[in-house]
Amino acid sequence: SSELTQDPIVSVALGQTVRITCQGDSLRSYYASWYQQKPGQAPVLVFYDNNNRPSGIPDRFSGSSSGNTASLTITGAQAEDEADYYCNSRDRSGYLLLFGGGTKLTVL
Amino acid sequence: QVQLQESGPGLVKPSQTLSLTCSVSGGSISSSGYYWSWIRQHPGKGLEWIGYIYYTGTTFYSPSLNSRASISVDTSKNHFSLELTSVTAADTAVYYCASVVGVSGSALDPWGQGTLVTVSS
Repeated sequence: SSELTQDPIVSVALGQTVRITCQGDSLRSYYASWYQQKPGQAPVLVFYDNNNRPSGIPDRFSGSSSGNTASLTITGAQAEDEADYYCNSRDRSGYLLLFGGGTKLTVL
Repeated sequence: QVQLQESGPGLVKPSQTLSLTCSVSGGSISSSGYYWSWIRQHPGKGLEWIGYIYYTGTTFYSPSLNSRASISVDTSKNHFSLELTSVTAADTAVYYCASVVGVSGSALDPWGQGTLVTVSS
């Protein structure tokens, strides 16, 4: 498969921990990257290459990977974390990029 | 801190060619190890990767665009460009440019603010 699959909608209670997942065959070979997109704004990279968090991104955002599944975990979700989250990675050939369909995160 | 800015027409007629430029500031487009990418987002939909270019000119494209996309780089102007031929209403989208970073070669950062292109007569 040359696709990355994400759950369309995920919700979390304020202050709780939430995991957003991304599944795809290419993730067995390549790291995933994660992006946060708020309405009307460009996506922002929040985690990449298994253990890298860009400067300015809160440390409540972390990533992990196992087999064909990559995960973005938000520990202690805040109201401002409500957004769409996208994963991406290389495809199985290694030459092209793929995006997951996105997960809309609601903070209750 | 590298910053990217898209520019180009906001309205393109069907069957014509969409042309956008991404200006890079705060760094050289010739920096070793960097790829430069175009991504688009249809209204209310998810992100779609279009393609990327290395400063040497090597390019890779999404097969979903059926060879309509072409990305080029102008190192003298520190910018890279996208051309998309034979556009239809289905090409109406916000177009983003971004830098590809990281050892995996898939992380996109930073992104431009995006530019809305509408295909309509």
